[in-house]
Amino acid sequence: KQEVTQIPAALSVPEGENLVLNCSFTDSAIYNLQWFRQDPGKGLTSLLLIQSSQREQTSGRLNASLDKSSGRSTLYIAASQPGDSATYLCAVPSYQAGTALIFGKGTTLSVSS
Amino acid sequence: EPEVTQTPSHQVTQMGQEVILRCVPISNHLYFYWYRQILGQKVEFLVSFYNNEISEKSEIFDDQFSVERPDGSNFTLKIRSTKLEDSAMYFCASSATATSGNTIYFGEGSWLTVV
Repeated sequence: KQEVTQIPAALSVPEGENLVLNCSFTDSAIYNLQWFRQDPGKGLTSLLLIQSSQREQTSGRLNASLDKSSGRSTLYIAASQPGDSATYLCAVPSYQAGTALIFGKGTTLSVSS
Repeated sequence: EPEVTQTPSHQVTQMGQEVILRCVPISNHLYFYWYRQILGQKVEFLVSFYNNEISEKSEIFDDQFSVERPDGSNFTLKIRSTKLEDSAMYFCASSATATSGNTIYFGEGSWLTVV
């Protein structure tokens, strides 16, 4: 059964710092991995989708990497800003061809100005 | 930008009552989903729906739950007889194809409180 773990659970950094969020999953037979952002009381916004054939995906100040063999992904945020404060979730399909996403509990990021 | 819209944003209901949560997925999407998030817990998959039938469902999605696409635009989640433990944020989502290949778009959620 696929399980997703994210560490740390919470992170506080000053503005301008570069930071890394970690995600690990138990079943490496995945088609893709997605990173989402969730603001308090709001829905989820997809940030990056990495296909299993890719090792990295970039969008602006965000870079996500995927190492399927070790069951790990990282989300790198460069030059953090107060507007980056949110909970970041990673998710993988429940099984290789599954339509269900299994989510981690998320990392809650606070960036202070 | 196209978005998934959900109504109501917040509903309070008595235990044992039926609740219908409504969603309008992105217009050219073919796959529809419901997820829920109990306060302070992980986002959990409930059900996926394609071509007017359920593709996949979780253990949470028991006989108390049902989904329907009553017309060309709406996608609903019905909870027949609500329990206290059904209190959660319910998210509708849609994607152009199955999640294995495509970004999934979530609505803002419907917060259900069962009292």
